[in-house]
Amino acid sequence: SYVLTQPPSVSVAPGETARITCGGNNIGFKRVQWYQQKAGQAPVVVVYDDGDRPSGIPERFSGSNSGGTAALTINRVEAGDEADYYCQVYDVNSNQVSIGGGTKVTVL
Amino acid sequence: EVQLVESGGALVQPGGSLRLSCAASGFTFSNYWMHWVRQVPGKGLVWVSRIYDDGRTTSYADSVKGRFTISRDNGKSMLHLQMNSLRVEDTAVYFCVRDRWRRLETPFDLWGQGTQVTVSS
Repeated sequence: SYVLTQPPSVSVAPGETARITCGGNNIGFKRVQWYQQKAGQAPVVVVYDDGDRPSGIPERFSGSNSGGTAALTINRVEAGDEADYYCQVYDVNSNQVSIGGGTKVTVL
Repeated sequence: EVQLVESGGALVQPGGSLRLSCAASGFTFSNYWMHWVRQVPGKGLVWVSRIYDDGRTTSYADSVKGRFTISRDNGKSMLHLQMNSLRVEDTAVYFCVRDRWRRLETPFDLWGQGTQVTVSS
């Protein structure tokens, strides 16, 4: 199966920028999806297909996928952004969906 | 209202079986590919299985292959997960999830609230 690697945690002060990375073999050839999961809630997609945002998601959330690493960037972080974030891809070799281990974002 | 509502979670002994169901409403269920994703409370999300809109094509995570079977009833807008030979490590909240588009690389755009499965003696 295809392994996606995320840092377990990221801490950021309000108003600063949080960057969450997602690593995987040749991840640049895959479309990466990003989800936000707040405590006690179901996940919500915040970025899809590497860098597109669903309607209703603030422009502060952006995604990139280049140089062997995918990343979710949250600009001007707010207290309400505190959550777990997951990256996800489809692996054609295994015909399976892979989800990263998740990154807990803490707003200081 | 567009929603997914899971049911069927329970406490079951190791080696036992359980059938989860997911009722879809507010959208044309037969137009969407569907998944099951599970999560141990306090831990990460783990993909379990996918089924295409016509119900004929399925795929599974290695950890459940041969033990779990995903199926759907488009006439009743229902998704199911038959879980056999359950193990302690299958204990988790199971989410019913919808694909946004009918293609392999697509985000999950709708999640249910989950149903708890506990495997313990």
